Amino acid sequence: NAGVTQTPKFRVLKTGQSMTLLCAQDMNHEYMYWYRQDPGMGLRLIHYSVGEGTTAKGEVPDGYNVSRLKKQNFLLGLESAAPSQTSVYFCASGAYGYTFGSGTRLTVV
Amino acid sequence: RKEVEQDPGPFNVPEGATVAFNCTYSNSASQSFFWYRQDCRKEPKLLMSVYSSGNEDGRFTAQLNRASQYISLLIRDSKLSDSATYLCVVNSGGGFKTIFGAGTRLFVKA
Repeated sequence: NAGVTQTPKFRVLKTGQSMTLLCAQDMNHEYMYWYRQDPGMGLRLIHYSVGEGTTAKGEVPDGYNVSRLKKQNFLLGLESAAPSQTSVYFCASGAYGYTFGSGTRLTVV
Repeated sequence: RKEVEQDPGPFNVPEGATVAFNCTYSNSASQSFFWYRQDCRKEPKLLMSVYSSGNEDGRFTAQLNRASQYISLLIRDSKLSDSATYLCVVNSGGGFKTIFGAGTRLFVKA
């Protein structure tokens, strides 16, 4: 039972480069989320999805895009990475008690 | 004012001690409450839900005071393995209306 799987686990990008973070869940959850976690600031919601084909903005959506083409997958894209996007990114799924993926540590230089 | 506020700590306690974490929330319409545990460089994991009547899970006791908009987590007989950051989480309806506190760091020492 894999739960929530995120890839990659680590990545270093140069400013201006693009990348996609992948999240997959096998729990048949409708709700999926992308968070970023920065020291002292807690988890902040970037984007979320309430079902296949739907996406919505969270608290800090600027500079990110998402897609939910299949119920089990939620993709987070950075079109033009900036140093301010250096963070740890977590995907989660569930309606109330979330299950989190193991995170992606992204550094933008 | 932050929507969910926690004492950042760190709390340094010896093994066997009892330690209490407090959390306040600002949205009186909040409906669901949780405590998560996050180990260093790991993902948050659900520790326990918090019910109005209070609830216990082994050495852990959670309480909710809706009138004061306050949540607590009590850990009895602390173990070295309890060392982690504890996140207070409040939901005001719907999965996307979940707010995470910044966390309280606990160090349990031998």
